[in-house]
Amino acid sequence: DTTVKQNPRYKLARVGKPVNLICSQTMNHDTMYWYQKKPNQAPKLLLFYYDKILNREADTFEKFQSSRPNNSFCSLYIGSAGLEYSAMYLCASSSGTGDEQYFGPGTRLTVL
Amino acid sequence: GDSVTQTEGPVTVSESESLIINCTYSATSIAYPNLFWYVRYPGEGLQLLLKVITAGQKGSSRGFEATYNKETTSFHLQKASVQESDSAVYYCALGGYNTNTGKLTFGDGTVLTVKP
Repeated sequence: DTTVKQNPRYKLARVGKPVNLICSQTMNHDTMYWYQKKPNQAPKLLLFYYDKILNREADTFEKFQSSRPNNSFCSLYIGSAGLEYSAMYLCASSSGTGDEQYFGPGTRLTVL
Repeated sequence: GDSVTQTEGPVTVSESESLIINCTYSATSIAYPNLFWYVRYPGEGLQLLLKVITAGQKGSSRGFEATYNKETTSFHLQKASVQESDSAVYYCALGGYNTNTGKLTFGDGTVLTVKP
């Protein structure tokens, strides 16, 4: 099974409220990623877990948090949503360096 | 930093016509780049179409081909005869063994519509 699952598929949030997105994979991959995708733009890496080590991109360091309670699950947390957070959030996982990343279907977040 | 530039869409071609989507890359922080084409079909998630990890090699899948050209830093996607089912968004991506992870840098995507 090469499925990456994401919940929820659609999320509506109010400005200033927290948002928590969930991703899971059963492939025993050591690395899990979160990307933000806006219309007509490239997916942008936000952060990734390599095993238990969290790496956050410098330009989004303060905006997103994440946790990985076990190998299969990874969350993306926004403490206080702003309008600019409206986007598709893609979770992916991979095994080994440079290997194929398997993507989930995405969560479409709309902040009002 | 690392970057990927690909054909701006949307691209529209008729069924059975040939297709080329251009992709060039700049790998300033990756010693040995790996190159990928990902595709997103309507209603589905991103999935790998093909990958090439060695310069000079060609990858192929579902009738698509791409050759990793280190001299021209290009990885153009080609297909001799497209089908309506090829309508999708195509992303060129750059990865590698940098920082011991598989971080990908994507292009902006090219929307392809194949007319019947």
